[in-house]
Amino acid sequence: DAKTTQPNSMESNEEEPVHLPCNHSTISGTDYIHWYRQLPSQGPEYVIHGLTSNVNNRMASLAIAEDRKSSTLILHRATLRDAAVYYCILRLFQGAQKLVFGQGTRLTINP
Amino acid sequence: EAQVTQNPRYLITVTGKKLTVTCSQNMNHEYMSWYRQDPGLGLRQIYYSMNVEVTDKGDVPEGYKVSRKEKRNFPLILESPSPNQTSLYFCASSFDGYEQYFGPGTRLTVT
Repeated sequence: DAKTTQPNSMESNEEEPVHLPCNHSTISGTDYIHWYRQLPSQGPEYVIHGLTSNVNNRMASLAIAEDRKSSTLILHRATLRDAAVYYCILRLFQGAQKLVFGQGTRLTINP
Repeated sequence: EAQVTQNPRYLITVTGKKLTVTCSQNMNHEYMSWYRQDPGLGLRQIYYSMNVEVTDKGDVPEGYKVSRKEKRNFPLILESPSPNQTSLYFCASSFDGYEQYFGPGTRLTVT
């Protein structure tokens, strides 16, 4: 399985944008980039996914590099409720069910 | 409300005593999975199912069994639990594999 590399932790301030980076230099052409987050004492929660183009939804934006070797999850205006561990995951198109979680980035939001 | 439910949420048991952790989803999803989460190892997939009567091994299936007799239910069975199966377990379901919905987790302790 292709691997992802994320910083162990990041810190930001409330109401400011947050850019969470992810490196995936061994990504293959059919790997989707997924982001999940896990709030304290909860199960993981889907955030966003993409293949080649940048994606936006109500929670976040996903910016994918042109060579697809890296991506960035953007929280446009962080709130205290966004404090969580964020996981960047590669998923094979054919492997519909397999998510391989890494260690993720622990995001702290300061009031 | 769309949700994945797991029972029990907490369980303390002894080595060798068979147990079942139930998982149920009300979204008519075809795909369901079980993961375990351990400190330093992240989330790892145990088993997954792509439809009724179709199951397959994930990355760490040893010591576990699953069944999928109905679309909504995907129980995890530990025939002879051992202390190394002490972990936090999550069930997940998905319509198309892109967005997985996770349950609240079951914290299992095997003494």
